[in-house]
Parts: sequence; C-alpha cells; structure tokens
Amino acid sequence: DIQMTQSPSSLSASVGDRVTITCQASRDVSNNLNWYQQKPGKAPKLLIYTVSNLKTGVPSRFSGGGSGTSFTFTISSLQPEDIATYYCQHYDNFLSFTFGPGTKVDFK
Amino acid sequence: EVQLVESGGGFVQTGGSLRLSCAASDFTVSDNYMTWVRQAPGKGLEWVSIIYSGGGTNYAGTAKGRFTISRDTSKNTLFLQMNSLRPEDTAVYYCASVRRTVTQEHYYYYHMDVWGQGTTVTVSS
Repeated sequence: DIQMTQSPSSLSASVGDRVTITCQASRDVSNNLNWYQQKPGKAPKLLIYTVSNLKTGVPSRFSGGGSGTSFTFTISSLQPEDIATYYCQHYDNFLSFTFGPGTKVDFK
Repeated sequence: EVQLVESGGGFVQTGGSLRLSCAASDFTVSDNYMTWVRQAPGKGLEWVSIIYSGGGTNYAGTAKGRFTISRDTSKNTLFLQMNSLRPEDTAVYYCASVRRTVTQEHYYYYHMDVWGQGTTVTVSS
C-alpha cells in the first residue's frame, strides 16, 4: 500500500502569510492526488482535485502542484477563515483511498 | 442543491451491529460512486468503503468482512451495515459522493465532491 505523509503536521502563521504544505507519497501516484479542508466539528470540503484543479467557488488564494511522489498545497495569503486542518488524499486503480495525516493550520 | 444527510449512528456494545444511512437530495445515488469515510475522535480521516455506479464495491482492510456498503434505489439512499463492531470503530462516519472527471486522453480522475454532515458511532463494552 502507498503511504502518504504530510509536513509539517502543524503550523502557525499570521494573516497575509504564504503557507505551504507538502504531501509525500511512498511511490509514484501519478496525478491521483486531492486536497481537502476540514474545520473543527465540520465535514471535510474538497478544495483541489487532480493535483492542481481548483473546485468551483474555492478562492484563488488556494493552489496545488507537484507530481509523482511530491506535492504541495499553498495558501498565498492566509485569511482568518482558513484556520483548519488540511488533508491530501491519494487513490489507486481500485479506488482505495488513502488520506495523509493532516496539517493543522492556526494563527500565531 | 445536492445534499447528503447521514443517520443511524449511536451507541452500541462491542460485537454489536449498526446500519448507517445516507439520504441524498437533488442527486441520484445509484448513478454515482458513493463512499464512506470515518474519523475517530481527535484523529485524521480514514476511508472505509466505496460502491460504484455499477454496483461493485471495495473496502478498506479494517472494514472487509465486517462492513457492507449498499444502496436502495427507491429510497435514493446509501447504507453501511456494520457488524462485529469494535471500540476502534468509534468515529464520526461521513458519506460522500465521488465525482469522476475524464480527460481528453481518456484518463479518469476521482475526488470526493459532496459530503454529508456525519453521524457518530460509539462502540464500547
């Protein structure tokens, strides 16, 4: 099974800061990589699918990139409503899904 | 607006069973891939199971042999039958729709598009 890791596991930043999260896969996952946001007590929400595609309605300050085994998720200018935990997700050819352990983002 | 609403969670003793439901609005369950994801208290997200539009299914190792995903077309509802429950199955269970996108090169990509609000399952002795 492919293992997904995320770094950092948590970070503190200020409003307006650029925030970058890295997701690493134990093997090449092609472009089968999505990013989700989860706020406390709420269901996850899809932000980015297939590495870099922004879901309709998601602010353009969110972006994704990478390929193969290394992927990044960036918030170009952190806003108060962005405080959440962010998860990367991979899936295989049988649609078995694996989430990364998550990165908790909060304010300094 | 597409909406998914889970129900059926509750408290159950170790070894017991529960059936979770996920009712869909403005959305046809049987025309789509549907999935269950869970989250133990204070932990991350864990995929549980998926049912394809054609009826095929797939399970995470922790669910295989104990959980069964199914759907009722007439009720437009997704189910998760959970048997032989263990304390480690304690979690919030979410249902979600899985959207497929197709590229010009005929590659298929998937993502969990719409999520329900979750239903809580507590397993204790």
